[in-house]
Amino acid sequence: SQQGEEDPQALSIQEGENATMNCSYKTSINNLQWYRQNSGRGLVHLILIRSNEREKHSGRLRVTLDTSKKSSSLLITASRAADTASYFCATDATPSGGGADGLTFGKGTHLIIQP
Amino acid sequence: DSGVTQTPKHLITATGQRVTLRCSPRSGDLSVYWYQQSLDQGLQFLIQYYNGEERAKGNILERFSAQQFPDLHSELNLSSLELGDSALYFCASSEGRLETQYFGPGTRLLVL
Repeated sequence: SQQGEEDPQALSIQEGENATMNCSYKTSINNLQWYRQNSGRGLVHLILIRSNEREKHSGRLRVTLDTSKKSSSLLITASRAADTASYFCATDATPSGGGADGLTFGKGTHLIIQP
Repeated sequence: DSGVTQTPKHLITATGQRVTLRCSPRSGDLSVYWYQQSLDQGLQFLIQYYNGEERAKGNILERFSAQQFPDLHSELNLSSLELGDSALYFCASSEGRLETQYFGPGTRLLVL
């Protein structure tokens, strides 16, 4: 099973609204990363948050991390049509724990911004 | 543009064949990772190389192998291809361990 699980699987909002996506994971991590993927294209790195950080901002993005709940959220404020994409969280731990360098991805949230 | 390049962009081949995918990491990055993205399995980590040596293995099949060369570029070899190997194959690189991984544009493989 996937280490990270994004919620919701799909989200459709109006342009200008805020979009919030959540990610849960199962084992201890060193860091958590969020990526964006436009249809069938490459993954674009958005933000990395380390296990000792609680919140991080980058432009219109805000990421939170709660290691006690093993969860993270990605907030996109003032959404734009160009934000339409799939968003993935990725952790650096294998599902069995112990840590590994390869990322474990969730299944992603498909975000649609209606103009 | 992440700075990671992959060739070819598209590859169409037949079952039983062998293909080689190539990746050039960002300048200065010592770690190279390979991932597979398919509709049913999602994004899966295959293998990692660090400065020429294999570092970690994920869900890589025995029919698949990889290597990293002295100039740090990497190749992923897929042999005895099956229909189910059709997928997007991504390469990523990072400066070191537990750092941001930057992904290339991917190679779309179609096995007929």
